[in-house]
Amino acid sequence: QVQLEQSGAEVKKPGSSVKVSCKASGVTFSTSALSWVRQAPGQGPEWMGGIASTFTTPTYAQKFQGRVTISADESTSIAYMDLSSLGFEDTAVYYCATGATRTFDSWGQGTLVTVSS
Amino acid sequence: DIQMTQSPSSLSASIGDRVTITCRASQTISYSLNWYQQKPGKAPNLLIYAASSLQSGVPSRFSGSGSGTDFTLTISSLQPEDFATYFCQQSYSTPPTFGQGTNLEIK
Repeated sequence: QVQLEQSGAEVKKPGSSVKVSCKASGVTFSTSALSWVRQAPGQGPEWMGGIASTFTTPTYAQKFQGRVTISADESTSIAYMDLSSLGFEDTAVYYCATGATRTFDSWGQGTLVTVSS
Repeated sequence: DIQMTQSPSSLSASIGDRVTITCRASQTISYSLNWYQQKPGKAPNLLIYAASSLQSGVPSRFSGSGSGTDFTLTISSLQPEDFATYFCQQSYSTPPTFGQGTNLEIK
């Protein structure tokens, strides 16, 4: 059974960066596709980017290009999402999710990132 | 990017009702459509993939249909635990995109 355990809630200042982690278990991490999806309050989910495996280059949504970095450490089965130049509009719950071909059948519990001055 | 439009945005129904939610894609996506259920404070949960395939463990009262640009999610007989928000999502191309959601409330 796939389990994704995310890091805890964060409060950040505008202009700063945040790094969220996602530890995977019950899955072959090196060959698993993993995505980051965020959900602002009252909104639908929004795909930010993902990695097909630890051997491939991440793919990012154009909206986040240049501001997001997704990485994965095969030795610890932990994936990371680093988002820079935070604005108030980045306040959201950030999820990691796995599944085949853009279908997300396992999700982390979510990490609330609040951007506040 | 492919835009996904759901209707209605909210829906009131009673226990035992049959409910249908629709989703329209801005371009053809074949059968590459997923449905998720989300309860407050929880992550989305995959219900239906590839337009009509039931995810393991999901009750058979949930069903999906459609192809091309128009899709439906049907709940045959509403149960108390079904009151939640439902999202469609296209898996046809990158970036995968979601609808804005349908909030299903108790009448």
